[in-house]
Amino acid sequence: GAGVSQSPSNKVTEKGKDVELRCDPISGHTALYWYRQSLGQGLEFLIYFQGNSAPDKSGLPSDRFSAERTGGSVSTLTIQRTQQEDSAVYLCASSLGPGTGQTEAFFGQGTRLTVV
Amino acid sequence: AQKITQTQPGMFVQEKEAVTLDCTYDTSDPSYGLFWYKQPSSGEMIFLIYQGSYDQQNATEGRYSLNFQKARKSANLVISASQLGDSAMYFCAMREGRSNDMRFGAGTRLTVKP
Repeated sequence: GAGVSQSPSNKVTEKGKDVELRCDPISGHTALYWYRQSLGQGLEFLIYFQGNSAPDKSGLPSDRFSAERTGGSVSTLTIQRTQQEDSAVYLCASSLGPGTGQTEAFFGQGTRLTVV
Repeated sequence: AQKITQTQPGMFVQEKEAVTLDCTYDTSDPSYGLFWYKQPSSGEMIFLIYQGSYDQQNATEGRYSLNFQKARKSANLVISASQLGDSAMYFCAMREGRSNDMRFGAGTRLTVKP
């Protein structure tokens, strides 16, 4: 595809429900990142996938958060038993892998999650 | 530990003047890359400029330049001839060669005054 695609663009869910956020990276990009951005704040790192390597999950805030990447392409971020503090914009980005020089990350438009 | 520090939560600049946005970083990896992104109110993340740790010269891209001081571990963004459309959040980011993940600073909100 032309860019990183995220779906849904907006999601309203009730507290306690599970949600799945999807990210479709740029074709050929082996690196994929998930970030969380609360209103007016910076980007909080959540998880990073690189090829077939074990993901860096060091940014996941609790065990309610998990992510997977199937076939080295599409990724799903799952939040179980959502809480109001999970409300934020979830951004996905992808880039070429290491050793490829200048490799800026390209971002999707984000999923705005609202927990009511 | 926080590896990217942006100490200016907000900055104001007069239209047509230059402005410097500060960024310091911390890493023990000799190979790393530094990035600046712009995020307007629409929310999209726009890549502006890149500086590699081994680059001898400061990066420039149009009105954007990066003042890279390796010994001080700083990578300040300079925007020349500010325009009203430059009003946005600006984020500094670093990717370490060893891990390849990318971490961001807290951002600086720039407001350009007419």
